[in-house]
Amino acid sequence: EVQLVQSGAEVKKPGESLKISCKGSGYSFPNYWIGWVRQMPGEGLEWMGIIYPADSDTKYSPSFQGQVTLSVDKSISTAYLQWSSLRASDTAMYYCARIPVAASHFDYWGQGTLVTVSS
Amino acid sequence: SYELTQPPSVSVSPGQSASITCSGSKLGDKYTSWYHQKPGQSPVLVIYQNSMRPSGIPERFSGSNSGNTATLTITGTQTMDEADYYCQAWDSSTVVFGGGTRLAVL
Repeated sequence: EVQLVQSGAEVKKPGESLKISCKGSGYSFPNYWIGWVRQMPGEGLEWMGIIYPADSDTKYSPSFQGQVTLSVDKSISTAYLQWSSLRASDTAMYYCARIPVAASHFDYWGQGTLVTVSS
Repeated sequence: SYELTQPPSVSVSPGQSASITCSGSKLGDKYTSWYHQKPGQSPVLVIYQNSMRPSGIPERFSGSNSGNTATLTITGTQTMDEADYYCQAWDSSTVVFGGGTRLAVL
């Protein structure tokens, strides 16, 4: 069974750093792109970027380029999303999701990680 | 940047058909996917490659895509279909989501 399991909720202060994770299982993790999607409270889905675990090839949304960093440790089938300096506006639910081979959609989604940034 | 436009809300009576549109420039030349999201849950893929249904998605969900508009149709809508629906496509190596449509089954 394909699963993407994300790390737990985080409460941080502005200016702090954060790294959240997404662990894949039940499939060949290196060979499927992993995407990250932000959902701010009461709002829609926003694509942040994707990463290919086999070679760490990464594509960022222009809206998030320079604001976050995607990385992966394929030895433990885990993708990461990190911030070096959080802002209150980063408060949101963050989802990871898998893209099937040669496909254009996200077929499996993680359960989401809620990040709250507040002083 | 590329934009996908959806109506903010659609209402339908139980048992009737609901159609949710997604508009974008030459969208018919791209593959469109659809997701539904219920409160407090992760999005779920309901249609991919314009009209394909993943396993486990009921046959009442169907999709089409032509010209500048993709359409998700739910035939015989059930109360359990009440959710937010998002379309998604790719443009120039970037993923684009529509703004979402809240489907109310009244």
